Parts: sequence; structure tokens; C-alpha cells
Amino acid sequence: LAKTTQPISMDSYEGQEVNITCSHNNIATNDYITWYQQFPSQGPRFIIQGYKTKVTNEVASLFIPADRKSSTLSLPRVSLSDTAVYYCLVGDGGDTGRRALTFGSGTRLQVQP
Amino acid sequence: GAGVSQSPSNKVTEKGKDVELRCDPISGHTALYWYRQSLGQGLEFLIYFQGNSAPDKSGLPSDRFSAERTGGSVSTLTIQRTQQEDSAVYLCASSLILAGGLYEQFFGPGTRLTVL
Repeated sequence: LAKTTQPISMDSYEGQEVNITCSHNNIATNDYITWYQQFPSQGPRFIIQGYKTKVTNEVASLFIPADRKSSTLSLPRVSLSDTAVYYCLVGDGGDTGRRALTFGSGTRLQVQP
Repeated sequence: GAGVSQSPSNKVTEKGKDVELRCDPISGHTALYWYRQSLGQGLEFLIYFQGNSAPDKSGLPSDRFSAERTGGSVSTLTIQRTQQEDSAVYLCASSLILAGGLYEQFFGPGTRLTVL
């Protein structure tokens, strides 16, 4: 299984850009990288997914270097409501009937006013 | 539309009892996942179902844990002879497998299991 490593916690202020990096040194060729957000007492919610280079959607950007051994979730201009735990997930994107899924330990982001 | 639902939302049981946790995935989603999350911890993968393929059970922590998915829809996670260390939130997720392998997991609210 691809093991992932993330910082345990990060602090930021409203309006700042936040970058959270996840290390996944033994990522496999078929693996995609996905980030989820989780608020207390709720299930995780999908933020963004990518395979290589850069992906951007309405809430975040995901930067993946050429070697794919890490990825960085970028949250532009965070607000208090972005305070949550962010998980990096590396998993087999193929429909092989077998899915190796490893969530990181999560990064607890605290946004201050 | 309806999301992933799980029942019960809370379950308190005594050590040694069996429990069944239910997951209703989003209609039409072919993939279903079970995870476990202990207090303040990350998600631990338990089992994965995809269509008619054999489930990936590689995350089940012991033979006291089992899961089945009937008719490609509803899934039940069963824990036999529960132990106190089984206390956690059990999360279910479902997804479509999209072209190119991209997929988004939609999570249910979880079942909080407390073993006394």
C-alpha cells in the first residue's frame, strides 16, 4: 500500500493562501491522488483529484511534480469555514476489482480571524 | 438526490456482542467502501466492493469483521464478539468509477460504535 505522510497541523489567518503537502514515496503507476476535507462529526468530503501536473477547480488547486512522490493542496484565501482536517488519499484508479486505499493521518488546519 | 445513508447513527453494545452496521449507497454507484475512524485519528480502510468482483478485504483487522453487499446495493458490516478496541466511527462511502479511473467517494455520516 502506498503510505502517505502529512503535517499533523497547520495554522493560518483569513485571506491567506494555505499549502498542504503530502508525501507518497511509493506511489504506484495506477494511483491517483485525492484530497478530502472533514469537519467534526461528518464524513469526509471530496475536494480535488489528480494524476500529474496541476489540477484546479473552484475551491482548490493540486500540484503534483513529475516524480509524483508528493503533492500539494493549495487553498486560496482561506476563511474561518476552511478550518477542518484535510486528508491525502492515494489509490488505484483502475477498475481492477482490487483497490488499495491509504488515507494519510490528516492535517488539522486552523484558520484564525 | 439522496446521499449515502448509514444506520444506526449510534450504537452502544456490550463487549462480546455482535453488531451489524448498514450502509445504503447512492443509487447507481458501483463501488462501496467501509472505513473505520477512531477518535482523533485518520481513516482506516476496511473493505471495498466493486460491481461483481471479489471484494478487497485486505483492511479487515481480524476475522471477527465481515461485510457483504447484497444485490450490488446495500452493504452490511458485521462485527462479531465486539471488543472495546472496536469502538470507533464506521464510515461508508460509495463512488462511480469514471472514465480514466477517476472517482469521487461520497461518504455517509457514519455510525458511532461504543463497546462497553
